[in-house]
Amino acid sequence: AQRVTQPEKLLSVFKGAPVELKCNYSYSGSPELFWYVQYSRQRLQLLLRHISRESIKGFTADLNKGETSFHLKKPFAQEEDSAMYYCALSRYNTDKLIFGTGTRLQVFP
Amino acid sequence: DTGVSQNPRHKITKRGQNVTFRCDPISEHNRLYWYRQTLGQGPEFLTYFQNEAQLEKSRLLSDRFSAERPKGSFSTLEIQRTEQGDSAMYLCASSPGTGGLNTEAFFGQGTRLTVV
Repeated sequence: AQRVTQPEKLLSVFKGAPVELKCNYSYSGSPELFWYVQYSRQRLQLLLRHISRESIKGFTADLNKGETSFHLKKPFAQEEDSAMYYCALSRYNTDKLIFGTGTRLQVFP
Repeated sequence: DTGVSQNPRHKITKRGQNVTFRCDPISEHNRLYWYRQTLGQGPEFLTYFQNEAQLEKSRLLSDRFSAERPKGSFSTLEIQRTEQGDSAMYLCASSPGTGGLNTEAFFGQGTRLTVV
């Protein structure tokens, strides 16, 4: 079965601290992995995807097929990073997304 | 705003009533998706369309739910005989659907349904 697990419901850090939001998945094929973000009162939006290998707003995520993980990292958190973060996967070359339960990131000044 | 548009934004209905939601995708996006999100959960896939064809339906979509996309543009999601368990945020998303990096899904702001 396809599943995405985000073990932390809430992650609180101070501004400037490193951040790692964990994501593990189970899928027998070759999935595409994504991180979506939802800022307060805004719609869900794509942050980054593993095939792009980009750094967006200082965030990076590396797909580790051996550990079936796609953790989101940022070396120095900013207050504006406070939001709800969802890890998601889709089957290769399809768009249906399977989401994790989300992690709320709070960055304190 | 040229993004995905959903109406209404909020709907309160009595148990047993029928409700219909509308989604207007980004122009020229071939694929349209419906998701449902309950408190403390991530969005759950319900169904999706490639143009006017409904290609996949989740087992979450009971017989009381029906979705249409008659001309391959806007879509409607109808829930008949609503139950309290139907209370949720209903999200619509669209994507170009042409593969590769064009599979990014753009989400609407959702319709929040409360069944009383």
